Amino acid sequence: AAGVIQSPRHLIKEKRETATLKCYPIPRHDTVYWYQQGPGQDPQFLISFYEKMQSDKGSIPDRFSAQQFSDYHSELNMSSLELGDSALYFCASSQTSGAYNEQFFGPGTRLTVL
Amino acid sequence: KNQVEQSPQSLIILEGKNCTLQCNYTVSPFSNLRWYKQDTGRGPVSLTIMTFSENTKSNGRYTATLDADTKQSSLHITASQLSDSASYICVVSTTDSWGKLQFGAGTQVVVTP
Repeated sequence: AAGVIQSPRHLIKEKRETATLKCYPIPRHDTVYWYQQGPGQDPQFLISFYEKMQSDKGSIPDRFSAQQFSDYHSELNMSSLELGDSALYFCASSQTSGAYNEQFFGPGTRLTVL
Repeated sequence: KNQVEQSPQSLIILEGKNCTLQCNYTVSPFSNLRWYKQDTGRGPVSLTIMTFSENTKSNGRYTATLDADTKQSSLHITASQLSDSASYICVVSTTDSWGKLQFGAGTQVVVTP
């Protein structure tokens, strides 16, 4: 079965650079979520989109922005990168009409800021 | 303060043995509770999901229980295998923050031969 796809899987950037992370949800899933997981920490919710509209917002820095496109894929744009942005970034998708609104997670993008 | 508390923080068990992980939560209004397995550097994989009306749910050698009155859940792993070594995360969602999940810190399980 198709899973959530994230790209790239690994990314290395310098401080103050920008980065774009992409997420391709499971087909027919209409909601996408972004999470940030620092070393040894639990995932922190950043932002979610339902039908291309922002549905909920968590602890996403102002330097970050995200959007969901007409084909339901989502991109997380990160600017003025800081060392503390180094983390695993997970995307999850769900089908709101599905049981429990269960979220399926992608493999993550590991971002390293030098 | 984390609204989802897990114990123990870490656990070492011998292959073939059973173990039980605990999760206490204060999140409300409660919608559902999930147990995820996360291998290092990988995305969490769902094991079980339960609503308040479900007391127990199994997925192979994994059995989760839920007591919505005491706001406690457990995950029992039967006949552990080396591949069970991972972090097990208890996650709770609420009815008023649609889709936003509250994560526990996880229990790191190490299965040794």
